[in-house]
Amino acid sequence: DSGVTQTPKHLITATGQRVTLRCSPRSGDLSVYWYQQSLDQGLQFLIQYYNGEERAKGNILERFSAQQFPDLHSELNLSSLELGDSALYFCASSVGGTGFMEQYFGPGTRLTVT
Amino acid sequence: ELKVEQNPLFLSMQEGKNYTIYCNYSTTSDRLYWYRQDPGKSLESLFVLLSNGAVKQEGRLMASLDTKARLSTLHITAAVHDLSATYFCAGYGSGNQFYFGTGTSLTVIP
Repeated sequence: DSGVTQTPKHLITATGQRVTLRCSPRSGDLSVYWYQQSLDQGLQFLIQYYNGEERAKGNILERFSAQQFPDLHSELNLSSLELGDSALYFCASSVGGTGFMEQYFGPGTRLTVT
Repeated sequence: ELKVEQNPLFLSMQEGKNYTIYCNYSTTSDRLYWYRQDPGKSLESLFVLLSNGAVKQEGRLMASLDTKARLSTLHITAAVHDLSATYFCAGYGSGNQFYFGTGTSLTVIP
């Protein structure tokens, strides 16, 4: 158990809908990272927040957004969902904010768009 | 954009044998990362290699980095069944970018 929690575990929704994925980092970690894993795209880095501020941005679509709250949990919002958004979404956390060091990964949320 | 390529994509090896997974990257990368993913599970961080010539070992796995060749290797010594998993490398590029390789699916056969 990495200490990183993600909810929900599974999510099934229809095209055009909007969903929110939640991640709680390990105690003491200030950074949260979001990743997408799909058969088509492989593993992709989406975005990183450090202590409430966006620190790095990867291949995140404009339809997707994220934020990190004062209690350090993070939410990834996916809107106008398409079939191709079906994927496993991981978050990870770390103490520091630079260099993607010492990341601990959550169990993931499996999103199915029908 | 940093491109990261792994080979082989699939690797089936017998217990007790040695093998190497290769990770090439296209442009300068400050550091190189290795992860393990068990089927249906999340990622586990294995190694972070921070400089040219860096070598790290944990159990039967040893990772190294050659920044001049833009190559990292993950060497498996005397493989055991428990090492069956998918292994990913990832590179860290300018502008805080982070790119994964395609992964190498390793199956260790008794």
